[in-house]
Amino acid sequence: GNSVTQMEGPVTLSEEAFLTINCTYTATGYPSLFWYVQYPGEGLQLLLKATKADDKGSNKGFEATYRKETTSFHLEKGSVQVSDSAVYFCALTTTGNQFYFGTGTSLTVIP
Amino acid sequence: EPEVTQTPSHQVTQMGQEVILRCVPISNHLYFYWYRQILGQKVEFLVSFYNNEISEKSEIFDDQFSVERPDGSNFTLKIRSTKLEDSAMYFCASSETGSQGQPQHFGDGTRLSIL
Repeated sequence: GNSVTQMEGPVTLSEEAFLTINCTYTATGYPSLFWYVQYPGEGLQLLLKATKADDKGSNKGFEATYRKETTSFHLEKGSVQVSDSAVYFCALTTTGNQFYFGTGTSLTVIP
Repeated sequence: EPEVTQTPSHQVTQMGQEVILRCVPISNHLYFYWYRQILGQKVEFLVSFYNNEISEKSEIFDDQFSVERPDGSNFTLKIRSTKLEDSAMYFCASSETGSQGQPQHFGDGTRLSIL
């Protein structure tokens, strides 16, 4: 079946630290991969996506590379800011419309 | 930027009562979805809707659930006889097309509390 596994949180970092949030997946077929972010009191917002192997999605300094060989889509940012504090969700779709989400990883960045 | 809007933001209902959650998808989007997130758990797919009919649904979406597009702008989720375990955050989403790789745009959610 289809599923997404994210690293457990919460994650607390100091401002300007390097961020990695791990995401691995299992999928029937060839999935498209996404990262969504949820700021406090808001809905899920698309952060980035990748639709085929070795594609790199990027947005707002965040990056993730679609690795088919390791079935991973880890999220990285070189220097986090306080404003990056949010919950981050890894997700996939295959041939149907439904998204399969990970459990979410809460990130807190302290000044 | 256009966005998906959901109302109400918080709904409190007695067990056994009917509840309707409302959503206004992005205007040029053709596919609509409902998801839910029980506290501390994953965001789970409930149903997708296209061309005035359900295109896909999960095991969670049983006979007590229904969806409707009553007019050209609203998309609703009805829970016929609520149970305690229906307490969750419900997210509506829409997408321009149904093709794989098309992102879905989410509303801020409705928190449903069943007493």
